[in-house]
Amino acid sequence: GPKVLQIPSHQIIDMGQMVTLNCDPVSNHLYFYWYKQILGQQMEFLVNFYNGKVMEKSKLFKDQFSVERPDGSYFTLKIQPTALEDSAVYFCASSLPTSAETLYFGSGTRLTVL
Amino acid sequence: QQQVRQSPQSLTVWEGETAILNCSYEDSTFNYFPWYQQFPGEGPALLISIRSVSDKKEDGRFTIFFNKREKKLSLHITDSQPGDSATYFCAASASSGSWQLIFGSGTQLTVMP
Repeated sequence: GPKVLQIPSHQIIDMGQMVTLNCDPVSNHLYFYWYKQILGQQMEFLVNFYNGKVMEKSKLFKDQFSVERPDGSYFTLKIQPTALEDSAVYFCASSLPTSAETLYFGSGTRLTVL
Repeated sequence: QQQVRQSPQSLTVWEGETAILNCSYEDSTFNYFPWYQQFPGEGPALLISIRSVSDKKEDGRFTIFFNKREKKLSLHITDSQPGDSATYFCAASASSGSWQLIFGSGTQLTVMP
């Protein structure tokens, strides 16, 4: 089936540093999402992005977070500066406009903030 | 506040048995309920979904039973196979202006050969 690729699979950084998580969505998908999963807990919605804009974001999407997809390249989640509580697995997902509810997820990036 | 709850947290069945995974929700505006299957090291993959206008959805060995009045649904996996061993997430969305999928905390299923 369609694949969403996430790079890297694991990232370790020091608190206060900037980190960028990369997502290569399914080629003809136009809706993009980030979800956050803390170990042992459920996945939680962070943000939805379409046509160059944030369509919806949750309270977890702090001011330190930003997303972009410049010119059809990677869909990125940037955290600047990072905090200890940002340690989690971040899942990227994408969907077609014609079936926006059918999300295809990547395998996640495990972020460890020291 | 957990809007989508799943039980049990973990479930072990023998090969060939039927596994029953439960899910309940609170928000009456939810009208779309996908189930995702996740293997270790992979992202969740859509397994089967149902809309609130239906009370049953079947796809091969996987069936969703939906009770709108009680705000409950269940995923039945018949003739369980060891390859079905995974974590199953129930999710919900209102699909009326919101892009959020609200996930449950998952049920870890183990199918013993």
